[in-house]
Amino acid sequence: DTAVSQTPKYLVTQMGNDKSIKCEQNLGHDTMYWYKQDSKKFLKIMFSYNNKELIINETVPNRFSPKSPDKAHLNLHINSLELGDSAVYFCASSYGTSGRTGELFFGEGSRLTVL
Amino acid sequence: GENVEQHPSTLSVQEGDSAVIKCTYSDSASNYFPWYKQELGKRPQLIIDIRSNVGEKKDQRIAVTLNKTAKHFSLHITETQPEDSAVYFCAANQGGKLIFGQGTELSVKP
Repeated sequence: DTAVSQTPKYLVTQMGNDKSIKCEQNLGHDTMYWYKQDSKKFLKIMFSYNNKELIINETVPNRFSPKSPDKAHLNLHINSLELGDSAVYFCASSYGTSGRTGELFFGEGSRLTVL
Repeated sequence: GENVEQHPSTLSVQEGDSAVIKCTYSDSASNYFPWYKQELGKRPQLIIDIRSNVGEKKDQRIAVTLNKTAKHFSLHITETQPEDSAVYFCAANQGGKLIFGQGTELSVKP
């Protein structure tokens, strides 16, 4: 059973397009996250939702819009894609917020390539 | 500000040798310090963590030490094996979120 699953795994698109990545967790966790991993492997938090409520919103362009329809799902929509958006996007979840002591469970990642 | 510094960025050891990765953090309120391992093309996975009420924790060949006064913590891997080759990330909780270090690419040569 996949604990944190995200789709699609690979996404190749043209600059200026709009795309979405979906994430679902079946662990019963109440907090979900989006992390961006760039070409240098740096893992940077983008957003965090706790019970469908946005609790962390890092300095991310407003072209990125997360949506959490329920606590098991967190989607990421990106408008007007730019070359610099190329990265691997990881969804993660935890029981309680990771700002306390919650272990993060990551999805497999979605590799976005903008041409 | 929120900052977790990790060194070295790359580390190459011979199979059987030990490997040490060091991290420093800036927020004295941090009390949770996990380490994640990311194999090539895979997701990061927790391998060990330590809370601020202990100074050392060990799990088979891996151990983590924490010095709260100096605000640094380290990962120690003994008797390294080729399957230990991966990118390792330290992290610390700061400002209600988990901040990751820059990662260390460990290569274990047979």
